[in-house]
Amino acid sequence: DAGVIQSPRHEVTEMGQEVTLRCKPISGHDYLFWYRQTMMRGLELLIYFNNNVPIDDSGMPEDRFSAKMPNASFSTLKIQPSEPRDSAVYFCASRGTGSGNTIYFGEGSWLTVV
Amino acid sequence: GIQVEQSPPDLILQEGANSTLRCNFSDSVNNLQWFHQNPWGQLINLFYIPSGTKQNGRLSATTVATERYSLLYISSSQTTDSGVYFCAVQGTSYGKLTFGQGTILTVHP
Repeated sequence: DAGVIQSPRHEVTEMGQEVTLRCKPISGHDYLFWYRQTMMRGLELLIYFNNNVPIDDSGMPEDRFSAKMPNASFSTLKIQPSEPRDSAVYFCASRGTGSGNTIYFGEGSWLTVV
Repeated sequence: GIQVEQSPPDLILQEGANSTLRCNFSDSVNNLQWFHQNPWGQLINLFYIPSGTKQNGRLSATTVATERYSLLYISSSQTTDSGVYFCAVQGTSYGKLTFGQGTILTVHP
């Protein structure tokens, strides 16, 4: 299996620009998670989906952030407009109900907003 | 929400030494996992261990759910063990994994 695939791996953008991060979960997994990692706040759960439906988005910092999962093999996390404080590593992860609850992470998208 | 505390925050070892990392959590859990984040940022799942003991090579983990803690043992440490070790738990909110702040491990040759 190819694992969780994220793109882009690195992005540098100017403040005010729209940023779209993409994720392809492991085939057959029915849970998808978006996490953000910063030095100050550690690893935070932003939102998670079950069977393509958003279940808990209480971690989404503000209205500038939105996430979608149009089908079982694709999800996006969008920031519009981006701000320097959004600079972080954004991880996507997935888990299957029958896989012993083990969660698998992608390699992350390193975002820098200047 | 559930609180997760890891200790120690930092640990420096010489190659070949053994170590124990601890994870305390504030409520009953139905999922507990240990992860290693390597110096390149990759998060690798080490153990899924909501209770009991598991071993994988030089690493082993024990969770005592009734006392709300888990331990990760690293024996004969190697420089490649360096990185950050995270404990993550899932409490009553099904599907949501909460991470501790991590233990930064540095193994010197």
